[in-house]
Amino acid sequence: GENVEQHPSTLSVQEGDSAVIKCTYSDSASNYFPWYKQELGKRPQLIIDIRSNVGEKKDQRIAVTLNKTAKHFSLHITETQPEDSAVYFCAAERGSTLGRLYFGRGTQLTVWP
Amino acid sequence: SAVISQKPSRDICQRGTSLTIQCQVDSQVTMMFWYRQQPGQSLTLIATANQGSEATYESGFVIDKFPISRPNLTFSTLTVSNMSPEDSSIYLCSLGADNEQFFGPGTRLTVL
Repeated sequence: GENVEQHPSTLSVQEGDSAVIKCTYSDSASNYFPWYKQELGKRPQLIIDIRSNVGEKKDQRIAVTLNKTAKHFSLHITETQPEDSAVYFCAAERGSTLGRLYFGRGTQLTVWP
Repeated sequence: SAVISQKPSRDICQRGTSLTIQCQVDSQVTMMFWYRQQPGQSLTLIATANQGSEATYESGFVIDKFPISRPNLTFSTLTVSNMSPEDSSIYLCSLGADNEQFFGPGTRLTVL
C-alpha cells in the first residue's frame, strides 16, 4: 500500500510567521492529496487539497504545492495565528477511490502569541 | 456537506467483549470507510464498506476481528470483536461527498 512520510512531527512558530509542513508518498498511482486539521478532541477537518494535475493551490493564508516527479507535497501557512495551533495531517489517496486515504503521522503546530 | 453521526460517542469495555459502532449519514453514499486513530497517533484505514457486498479490508485488519455491515446506503456498523486493551482507539466512519472526504465525530473506545 501507500507509505506517507510527514515532517516535522512538531513545529513551533511565532504569531505572524510562516509554517511549512512537508510530506512524501511512495505510490506513483496516488493522485489526490488532502490536508486535514485536527483540534484536540475533534474530528479531522479538510483545510485544503490538491490533485495531481495541479502544481499549486492557494486558499487565503493556506497553500499546497505538489511535485509529482519527486513525490512530495507541502503545506504552507502564512501569517500564522494562535488559532492555527492544531495537529495537521497530510494524506494520499490511491487510485480513483475517493476515501481510501493513507495518512502521514501528523505535525503538532503551535503558534505562540 | 454530509452530516455524519456515530453511536456510541464513547464506551468503556471489558477485554474479551465486543462493541458495535453505528454510523448514520444524512444522504445516500456508495462507499463508507472505517478508520482507527490510536491515542496520539495518525488515522489508519480499516476497511471500505460497499452496500450489497462484503467489506474490503486493508492489510493488517481482518473480518473476524472487525466485522462490518452495510445494510443500506445511509448506514454502516463496525464491530470490534474480542477486545483487548490494544483496541483502545477512536473509531471514525468516513465518506466522500462533493469531492471531499468527511469524517464522523468518532467513537472513543477504552478497553480495560
